[in-house]
Amino acid sequence: GAGVSQSPSNKVTEKGKDVELRCDPISGHTALYWYRQSLGQGLEFLIYFQGNSAPDKSGLPSDRFSAERTGGSVSTLTIQRTQQEDSAVYLCASSPDSQETQYFGPGTRLLVL
Amino acid sequence: GDSVTQMEGPVTLSEEAFLTINCTYTATGYPSLFWYVQYPGEGLQLLLKATKADDKGSNKGFEATYRKETTSFHLEKGSVQVSDSAVYFCAPPKEGNEKLTFGTGTRLTIIP
Repeated sequence: GAGVSQSPSNKVTEKGKDVELRCDPISGHTALYWYRQSLGQGLEFLIYFQGNSAPDKSGLPSDRFSAERTGGSVSTLTIQRTQQEDSAVYLCASSPDSQETQYFGPGTRLLVL
Repeated sequence: GDSVTQMEGPVTLSEEAFLTINCTYTATGYPSLFWYVQYPGEGLQLLLKATKADDKGSNKGFEATYRKETTSFHLEKGSVQVSDSAVYFCAPPKEGNEKLTFGTGTRLTIIP
């Protein structure tokens, strides 16, 4: 079946612009995660959605970052007033629940000029 | 809260060498434990997992045993290949309201 998809695959933007990154999880997966992977760094947790529960936003680095998950499926990560340090690969993952294997999307490579 | 401590890299080995990448965890219970791998130019994918204490996960010649007495889940392979060159991540599942933490990742390079 279809895996996790993310769009766009690459995004180049100017400092100060807003960007939206999209994640389509595997159908039926209740848990959805966003991570950031900077060059040469590990995975940095950003936000977690589980079913209809309030999202865990504890990993968001600043109030410029926000995310939504509509209808328990598609999720959008929004970065407002982008900064150069936001340049990274943004990964989305979904799983049947929080105890199960996470399935990762291919990521969106964001470059802020 | 739950967390993992992973051996930092990078690690460089010759082909057919024995590999160990250490991972220890702290957890309030006995959660499932996972190793993920990221091959060059590819996305993260599950390598293996163990769902309870004393379980052994295995895949592609890699093994890891969930040892509750030492709170460890070390990744091992008896004879590595060039194709094993990748970044390896040790990860616990998300528990309740605890912030999810992945290991920092270990970059493995196998030279022929």
